[in-house]
Amino acid sequence: EVHLVESGGRLARPGGSLRLSCLASGFTFQDYGMSWVRQIPGKGLEWVSGVNWNGGFTGYADSIKGRFTISRDNAKNSLYLQMNSLRAEDTAFYYCVRGWDDLGYFQNWGQGALVTVSS
Amino acid sequence: EIVLTQSPATLSLSPGERATLSCRASQTVSQYYLTWYQQKPGQAPRLLIYATSSRATGIPDRFSGSGSGTDFTLTISRLEPEDFAVYYCQQYGSSPKYSFGQGTKLEIK
Repeated sequence: EVHLVESGGRLARPGGSLRLSCLASGFTFQDYGMSWVRQIPGKGLEWVSGVNWNGGFTGYADSIKGRFTISRDNAKNSLYLQMNSLRAEDTAFYYCVRGWDDLGYFQNWGQGALVTVSS
Repeated sequence: EIVLTQSPATLSLSPGERATLSCRASQTVSQYYLTWYQQKPGQAPRLLIYATSSRATGIPDRFSGSGSGTDFTLTISRLEPEDFAVYYCQQYGSSPKYSFGQGTKLEIK
């Protein structure tokens, strides 16, 4: 069974930084593109960033481009999102998801990590 | 930029009834890249339908998807109590690369 477990969500200050991690299990991690999708509590879904199987190609939503960096470590079955220059509007649940351009959809979802940006 | 508009925003039905949810795109979407998700309160979204009409693993056959071009539909043939949730459509391919509809809340009447 596929499991995606996010960690690192917490309260951060505007302008601050945060790193989210996602530990994957139950599938061959290096065979899949991975993404981060976020959801403001009570609102809709927004794709944030994606990375191909070996980390060689990445993509970002315009709303976070230049501030967030996605990466992966296939030896550790882990996906990361480095979030810099945080803004209040980045407050959301961040989901680690299996899938990117290799699928065009998001096959499995983690339980989500809450990031709150507030002074 | 492709915008997905879901209707209705809220659908009130009773268990056993048929539900029809609509997702309309502002531009043509490839049928290979129209996807539906279900989200229950306090849970992450779950993949339901991909490539317009293919059910994901473990999804009951009362869920079906159809459509082409700019108009897509998710149909639940006979509602079960566990089907009451929020449903999102999603497209891949056109700017923005991924976009979601705003969701349809399916509630118990």
